[in-house]
Amino acid sequence: GQNIDQPTEMTATEGAIVQINCTYQTSGFNGLFWYQQHAGEAPTFLSYNVLDGLEEKGRFSSFLSRSKGYSYLLLKELQMKDSASYLCAVRWGLYSGAGSYQLTFGKGTKLSVIP
Amino acid sequence: DSGVTQTPKHLITATGQRVTLRCSPRSGDLSVYWYQQSLDQGLQFLIQYYNGEERAKGNILERFSAQQFPDLHSELNLSSLELGDSALYFCASSGGSGGPSGNTIYFGEGSWLTVV
Repeated sequence: GQNIDQPTEMTATEGAIVQINCTYQTSGFNGLFWYQQHAGEAPTFLSYNVLDGLEEKGRFSSFLSRSKGYSYLLLKELQMKDSASYLCAVRWGLYSGAGSYQLTFGKGTKLSVIP
Repeated sequence: DSGVTQTPKHLITATGQRVTLRCSPRSGDLSVYWYQQSLDQGLQFLIQYYNGEERAKGNILERFSAQQFPDLHSELNLSSLELGDSALYFCASSGGSGGPSGNTIYFGEGSWLTVV
């Protein structure tokens, strides 16, 4: 099965930097996603890593180490609107080819940004 | 706007009843996924379709079923509803290809189901 762990809650100060970690154990790994979800709303795509290393996109960066089964999401210059749940999700499949992959989510990290 | 459309947005029904949730994927996307999210819970994968065929099943109850039609829209049928089925049901879609362009899964706004 797929096992994804991330902290349940985190609190950070406006303007600061916060790192949200995610560890996973999976078969047929084919990439790792980060999504942001505000309460009662749809998850929105933030980043995707399939190769080791850092992907930077504005204030958000995501890192992946496949050998360690580890990823983190880095949020810089925190704003109040960044208060949300951040979901780590692993794309995996036992077979290759179109339509063969699933996305399994961790339980999410609820980030609270305080003034 | 993700391009994934779900109806209805809200639904209140009684225990024992049956409901159908509808999803139109993004234009060109062949894969459709259904997820359930209960209050303060993570996203639970229910089922996946690709171009009309079932491709994967998660923790979907036998009382629940789904299908994807030739025009690629999908329906999730929930029957003999129980109080515990109250949740937000998300549909998501992706291109389904193995390449980078088809990797990202986009979510609809969800259907809020309340069973009373």
